[in-house]
Amino acid sequence: DTAVSQTPKYLVTQMGNDKSIKCEQNLGHDTMYWYKQDSKKFLKIMFSYNNKELIINETVPNRFSPKSPDKAHLNLHINSLELGDSAVYFCASSPSVTRWETQYFGPGTRLLVL
Amino acid sequence: AQSVTQLDSQVPVFEEAPVELRCNYSSSVSVYLFWYVQYPNQGLQLLLKYLSGSTLVKGINGFEAEFNKSQTSFHLRKPSVHISDTAEYFCAVSPPNNNNDMRFGAGTRLTVKP
Repeated sequence: DTAVSQTPKYLVTQMGNDKSIKCEQNLGHDTMYWYKQDSKKFLKIMFSYNNKELIINETVPNRFSPKSPDKAHLNLHINSLELGDSAVYFCASSPSVTRWETQYFGPGTRLLVL
Repeated sequence: AQSVTQLDSQVPVFEEAPVELRCNYSSSVSVYLFWYVQYPNQGLQLLLKYLSGSTLVKGINGFEAEFNKSQTSFHLRKPSVHISDTAEYFCAVSPPNNNNDMRFGAGTRLTVKP
């Protein structure tokens, strides 16, 4: 009965590859997010997605693209992976864009780019 | 834009001792304030949040925090810690009207020793 789940838990890949991380929430929430946590534990929001409206933070390269097949899923696609993409990526969800102040986080996907 | 500073990167304490984890923020507008906890290899879990009203906020696991507007602080406290409280703690700040602009501090590693 996991609330927010992510797969895979670990991902090791070569530079230049394209990879995807999946996220699913079973909370019935309308809004989902992707965060990046770097090696210094610094956490930054990358995207928020609500009812087909995507808000992208300016600093996120366009190699990153979230895709939502339905309300319960928000997958993260990364093209042409770079060394600096190595980080832990967290998916999160909140009830709605107006009730966003309580976010539920997934366990994270640890991405290592070699 | 708002920002968050967590003054201590590491806080070691003995079991059953009180603890305070410090958080200061800067913002030109009113803010929402949050404390999250991250246990090893897990996602973030909301401990407590301040949106408005009473400045003393009680959260889960016996934690509480006090919003001090004049000192722009939101320190987290617990009167008696347990070994199981060992984790990374993140303070976060966000403008009330924007769910895509949550800023996190660098984290404080709390280590509880027997």
